[in-house]
Formats: sequence, C-alpha cells, structure tokens
Amino acid sequence: DGGITQSPKYLFRKEGQNVTLSCEQNLNHDAMYWYRQDPGQGLRLIYYSQIVNDFQKGDIAEGYSVSREKKESFPLTVTSAQKNPTAFYLCASSIDSVAGSTDTQYFGPGTRLTVL
Amino acid sequence: GNSVTQMEGPVTLSEEAFLTINCTYTATGYPSLFWYVQYPGEGLQLLLKATKADDKGSNKGFEATYRKETTSFHLEKGSVQVSDSAVYFCALSDRDSWGKLQFGAGTQVVVTP
Repeated sequence: DGGITQSPKYLFRKEGQNVTLSCEQNLNHDAMYWYRQDPGQGLRLIYYSQIVNDFQKGDIAEGYSVSREKKESFPLTVTSAQKNPTAFYLCASSIDSVAGSTDTQYFGPGTRLTVL
Repeated sequence: GNSVTQMEGPVTLSEEAFLTINCTYTATGYPSLFWYVQYPGEGLQLLLKATKADDKGSNKGFEATYRKETTSFHLEKGSVQVSDSAVYFCALSDRDSWGKLQFGAGTQVVVTP
C-alpha cells in the first residue's frame, strides 16, 4: 500500500536534547512538508522540500533542521534551540510543488513530541 | 498574504442534524481550496477540494462550493453521524506559493447520539 509513515508515534525528550522525527513516503512524490500543530491552532509550516537535496524554511523554522538526501525520506530534527517543542508534528507530501501547481497534500499519522 | 478564517468551535450537534462550517479566505491569486478532516490522534485526511470558482467538491455526504464573489468555501452535510465527530480544517493553496497550504485554525465538531 502506498502512503506516508512517521515514526515514532510518541516521543519523549529531555530538555537540551536533539531528537529526529522520521518521515517516509512511497508515493513517488517530489514535494514533502513538515507542519507543527498546537492545541486549538491550525497547522504551521516548518520546512518544505520541492526536490531532493533542496529545502526551504517555512513560517516557523527556527530551532528545527531537515535534510532531503533521498526522494522518499524527509527527517526533521528538533534541536535544543527550539524553545517550546512540545507539539504534534505532521509530515505531508504532494506530487510536486512547482510554480503553477496546487496539488493535494497527503499526510502521515503524526508524531507527538513531549519535552519532559 | 494569504489567510483562511473558519468558524470557532466546538460545534455540538445531534445525530442527523444539518452541519455547516463557515470558511472564508484572502488570497492574492487564484487559489485551490480544500477541506481536511482530523480524527482524534491521527493525521489529516483530504475530505474534498475545489480548484476554480463555482466548482463543488463532494465526498462522504459533505459538500462545499468555491464562491469567488464571497471568497468562501463553506462545508455542509445534510445529516451528520456520530462518526463525523472530528476537527475540520479549511485550507488554500495558491499557485504563487509553490503549493504550500495555508490552514484555518480548525473547527471541532461533536455529534451526540
């Protein structure tokens, strides 16, 4: 079955630690995205990648980093510089995101990160 | 910039009631409009979409019509079920923003038996 997987489902981190959230897709999509969701708020874009080896900052990139070494994978690292990292993190992908395209984004099941 | 405004929740309904969730948008270009649904503890699922003015998206009994004159994309369902309890997000994607989605804050819907 094609889809997007995220792991782990739940993640606990001590203050001062970096953690990496996994996102894998087998949909052959070019574009991938990371969103953060806080209670009572909509999703906010952290980073996005339109193609392998390229990515751009979204609206709230501070304290996060990403890589896109393979088309299928777009891991997100939450660094110790992120002041309030406790949130629900969602990964998404779409066929492409070139100018003029408004393709549907498909979402993974999410990772809930809690800082202890 | 682009923005999406949707009605605040929670919206509490009895089973078989009519549901409307208002959504209005601001965009500089000609956006595509989406409704996503999120069940507790899960990711978002696309519910329906419309890509141009006067298009009607529909799925699972839900409908929404792209109204350019009122910049709206209200979600409706004629008879809700308990299983429709979820958070509903309105979103837009503008051709000038490289496919990035702009989300509303979400509206929680609670359907009681």
